[in-house]
Amino acid sequence: KQEVTQIPAALSVPEGENLVLNCSFTDSAIYNLQWFRQDPGKGLTSLLLIQSSQREQTSGRLNASLDKSSGRSTLYIAASQPGDSATYLCAVKSYGNNRLAFGKGNQVVVIP
Amino acid sequence: GAVVSQHPSRVICKSGTSVKIECRSLDFQATTMFWYRQFPKQSLMLMATSNEGSKATYEQGVEKDKFLINHASLTLSTLTVTSAHPEDSSFYICSAPRGGASTDTQYFGPGTRLTVL
Repeated sequence: KQEVTQIPAALSVPEGENLVLNCSFTDSAIYNLQWFRQDPGKGLTSLLLIQSSQREQTSGRLNASLDKSSGRSTLYIAASQPGDSATYLCAVKSYGNNRLAFGKGNQVVVIP
Repeated sequence: GAVVSQHPSRVICKSGTSVKIECRSLDFQATTMFWYRQFPKQSLMLMATSNEGSKATYEQGVEKDKFLINHASLTLSTLTVTSAHPEDSSFYICSAPRGGASTDTQYFGPGTRLTVL
């Protein structure tokens, strides 16, 4: 059974600092990995999707890396802004399984 | 882009009543939809996979008689929480993969907050 862990569970940073969010998974036989953003009481917004054959994906200030062999992914958010305050969820899709396995999330607060 | 909607966004009900939650894909057809439940500060837990035209597939530990799922059309799946109790209070979210169950990207609805008194 795939287990996904996200560290740290919560963090606060001053505006302008870079954010580094970590995700680890136990089974390296993944199909893809996806990072989502969730605002309080809201649904999920997809940020980046990395296929198993890829090492990283970038979108604006966001960069996600994937090291499948070690079971890790990192989401970098450059020059954080107060609007980046949210919970970031990592989800893994495994081969032969259409389900997504989610971590508990990294709750981020960017202090103006 | 693809949009998935849920209705209602929030519902408060008395213990023992049944609550129906709708999940719609607005601009694409979804033969498969997923229903998740999320408790505060917890990850999303998959409850069941809803399949258009056939029975839903439930995850281990999820009571299918309590959480009734009907995927009546290619754009609508409903989750009915029967005889709801306070422990059923949670945030319910649906998702739909565009292009089929094995498609890469899943689009999530905005969620439904259920509070059972």
